[in-house]
Amino acid sequence: DQQVKQNSPSLSVQEGRISILNCDYTNSMFDYFLWYKKYPAEGPTFLISISSIKDKNEDGRFTVFLNKSAKHLSLHIVPSQPGDSAVYFCAASPLNYGGSQGNLIFGKGTKLSVKP
Amino acid sequence: ETGVTQSPTHLIKTRGQQVTLRCSSQSGHNTVSWYQQALGQGPQFIFQYYREEENGRGNFPPRFSGLQFPNYSSELNVNALELDDSALYLCASSLAAGIKTQYFGPGTRLLVL
Repeated sequence: DQQVKQNSPSLSVQEGRISILNCDYTNSMFDYFLWYKKYPAEGPTFLISISSIKDKNEDGRFTVFLNKSAKHLSLHIVPSQPGDSAVYFCAASPLNYGGSQGNLIFGKGTKLSVKP
Repeated sequence: ETGVTQSPTHLIKTRGQQVTLRCSSQSGHNTVSWYQQALGQGPQFIFQYYREEENGRGNFPPRFSGLQFPNYSSELNVNALELDDSALYLCASSLAAGIKTQYFGPGTRLLVL
């Protein structure tokens, strides 16, 4: 049973427009959320994160929104650039407990294509 | 500042063999986590090491084992390889065990024939 879901396998956006990537989760014990970007043949690159005590975090062109009641978060990229084309992973971290400390739980990813 | 490095980049093994993958953590980081990423999936947590001790483990059998050394570098060992072990193996480091942001290396692509 997937605890972190990215329901859109792919997204195509025109350069300069907004990209919105969505992520849903089921476990209310998650207290920290992260977005990673992955290019082919490279490891995931950390983009931005948000604690469950906040509902928004911005870093340059990237903004993450968290809606705890809906168990939903989204990543907004404005404006989108061709270099943003990559697979984006949403990840969640549970409150530390038992033997699974350090665990990041990932969605399956969304492939973003930004067209010039 | 040196990022996370992994070796080798690619590896081919046959079923039943054993493999050792290596990771050097980012400068100043004392915590290392290992993940397995199958094709079309997100990374899946194997285990984490902090100060040379296992600090948490995901749902992987005991034939997946690890080590962390005093310089915080780490190894992932997999015994009795199975075809389903074919995947990208990612190492990630973080500043400390309680810090949730992890920084990933480029991965080792393992193919089991």
